[in-house]
Amino acid sequence: ETGVTQTPRHLVMGMTNKKSLKCEQHLGHNAMYWYKQSAKKPLELMFVYNFKEQTENNSVPSRFSPECPNSSHLFLHLHTLQPEDSALYLCASSQGGASPQFFGPGTRLTVL
Amino acid sequence: GIQVEQSPPDLILQEGANSTLRCNFSDSVNNLQWFHQNPWGQLINLFYIPSGTKQNGRLSATTVATERYSLLYISSSQTTDSGVYFCAVEGSGGYQKVTFGTGTKLQVIP
Repeated sequence: ETGVTQTPRHLVMGMTNKKSLKCEQHLGHNAMYWYKQSAKKPLELMFVYNFKEQTENNSVPSRFSPECPNSSHLFLHLHTLQPEDSALYLCASSQGGASPQFFGPGTRLTVL
Repeated sequence: GIQVEQSPPDLILQEGANSTLRCNFSDSVNNLQWFHQNPWGQLINLFYIPSGTKQNGRLSATTVATERYSLLYISSSQTTDSGVYFCAVEGSGGYQKVTFGTGTKLQVIP
């Protein structure tokens, strides 16, 4: 248990569906992150939020839409995804600045 | 951006053996972490080690920032050590923009 939870753990969706991934951290951190892990590829940073403000968007397609209502919660809204978006989506949090990141268990997404 | 290379890509060990995993990075870093990813995908923090040496039980890590590498030592390996080990660095160009290496897949056999 790292103090970062993610739901759902598994998700199967069609290309026309809209779904959301949820992340919650119980560590009192100020920064939250979304990463994508595809088969045979390194983890890729998608988004960074500091104190609810987005500070990094790593050229992510607009079909992925993040939302950070407060420092403890982070969402990733998904719509009109492609099969190549199938991956493990990982959420992380940190104190901010140069500090260690702690990861949630991930959501394994399959797009049909 | 910063490049992170890990070696070896795959490693098979007999239980009880020792091993060294290496992480090379192409530029100066603010931050370096080692993670273990278990078969279910959970990333577990092992070390936060931008420089110097740390030990935690059978694991230890050393980062030589001036020479742009870090080493993870696993001693007396156990089957539960199996999984993928990742090195992740935060380049000096900006905080929180973390780059992961491609990982070392370790299998410890009884």
